[in-house]
Amino acid sequence: EAGVTQFPSHSVIEKGQTVTLRCDPISGHDNLYWYRRVMGKEIKFLLHFVKESKQDESGMPNNRFLAERTGGTYSTLKVQPAELEDSGVYFCASSPTGDGPEQYFGPGTRLTVT
Amino acid sequence: QKEVEQNSGPLSVPEGAIASLNCTYSDRGSQSFFWYRQYSGKSPELIMSIYSNGDKEDGRFTAQLNKASQYVSLLIRDSQPSDSATYLCAVNSGGYQKVTFGTGTKLQVIP
Repeated sequence: EAGVTQFPSHSVIEKGQTVTLRCDPISGHDNLYWYRRVMGKEIKFLLHFVKESKQDESGMPNNRFLAERTGGTYSTLKVQPAELEDSGVYFCASSPTGDGPEQYFGPGTRLTVT
Repeated sequence: QKEVEQNSGPLSVPEGAIASLNCTYSDRGSQSFFWYRQYSGKSPELIMSIYSNGDKEDGRFTAQLNKASQYVSLLIRDSQPSDSATYLCAVNSGGYQKVTFGTGTKLQVIP
């Protein structure tokens, strides 16, 4: 079974530019989560999709971040315009519905804003 | 006070010894507890989950939960150099399924 995949693995952009991160969850997993880890800090929750619906977006830092999951399969996280403090590693995780909150993480996208 | 607290380490243990990793959490309503292992530059890998008070064993790993003390621990028996990694404690408080992480404890197993 393929795991959670994320693209790109690394992205370096300038302040003010736009970046879109993609996550493909494990096939059949209805739950998809985005997390972020900034340097020296803990991994922090951003938002949770159940299929194509946003279940909880309480962790989204501001309106420069937009997450979508059209069709309930893959998800994108767009940062527009990017700021220096957005640098970090963005993780995606997925879990199946009804099997408890155990989540399986992707390899992450390292975003550097210069 | 952080929601999930861990000693950042590094915790150094000799090969073959027992490594003991500890975690405390602040939300008394928390229901689910997880240990993730993260190698440098890699994704967090779920290694243990525990939902009720007591011990849960899986191979060389034992998770211990004490809800009254708001304390979770992970014991690694017969530690191997390949166990060297950062161990993340994570807590789910029920309702929505978001997980709150600690900063992680770096474990070094010395051959």
